[in-house]
Amino acid sequence: GESVGLHLPTLSVQEGDNSIINCAYSNSASDYFIWYKQESGKGPQFIIDIRSNMDKRQGQRVTVLLNKTVKHLSLQIAATQPGDSAVYFCAESNKPGGKLIFGQGTELSVKP
Amino acid sequence: DGGITQSPKYLFRKEGQNVTLSCEQNLNHDAMYWYRQDPGQGLRLIYYSQIVNDFQKGDIAEGYSVSREKKESFPLTVTSAQKNPTAFYLCASSIVGGSRETQYFGPGTRLLVL
Repeated sequence: GESVGLHLPTLSVQEGDNSIINCAYSNSASDYFIWYKQESGKGPQFIIDIRSNMDKRQGQRVTVLLNKTVKHLSLQIAATQPGDSAVYFCAESNKPGGKLIFGQGTELSVKP
Repeated sequence: DGGITQSPKYLFRKEGQNVTLSCEQNLNHDAMYWYRQDPGQGLRLIYYSQIVNDFQKGDIAEGYSVSREKKESFPLTVTSAQKNPTAFYLCASSIVGGSRETQYFGPGTRLLVL
């Protein structure tokens, strides 16, 4: 069946280092991917998205990479800060606005 | 400020009781969604609506009901038929059409059973 999963459930990094959070998906028809950040007790916050016709997209301190060959998505956070500590979810759908399928999430912990 | 509001932040349900969670958005979005989140897990879709007076079941609709009488509002009722309602409930909205129909989330309602 369709699924989106994360390789690592937890990730601990030192403040100032770069973080890489990975996500695998199984539906080759997925066309749209989103990364969300969720702080404890709050709703998910949109970080960045990417369509399947792109390999890379950059935002402020974040980069999303999409490898369709191996069905892999990653989120890179540059110069990780304590405020980046949260659970990060990837989500995919077969079209923008379609049903989103969420992965389990990766908890990022930033050590000062 | 534009955004999505959910109320209450915490809700307590007695056994056999129906409770209703509120979700309002002033983003002029056509589509609205309800998700359930259990500890340490991702989000699971309960119901969604892409237009007023129309809605579809998601993956875990049993024990829940919704209405969409206004574009801005999409309340979720957790009925007594939902035997394990304790969870964090998230409402989201998005535009319909266009190249980027990202879903934006509200702050959530935590439902606890007494």
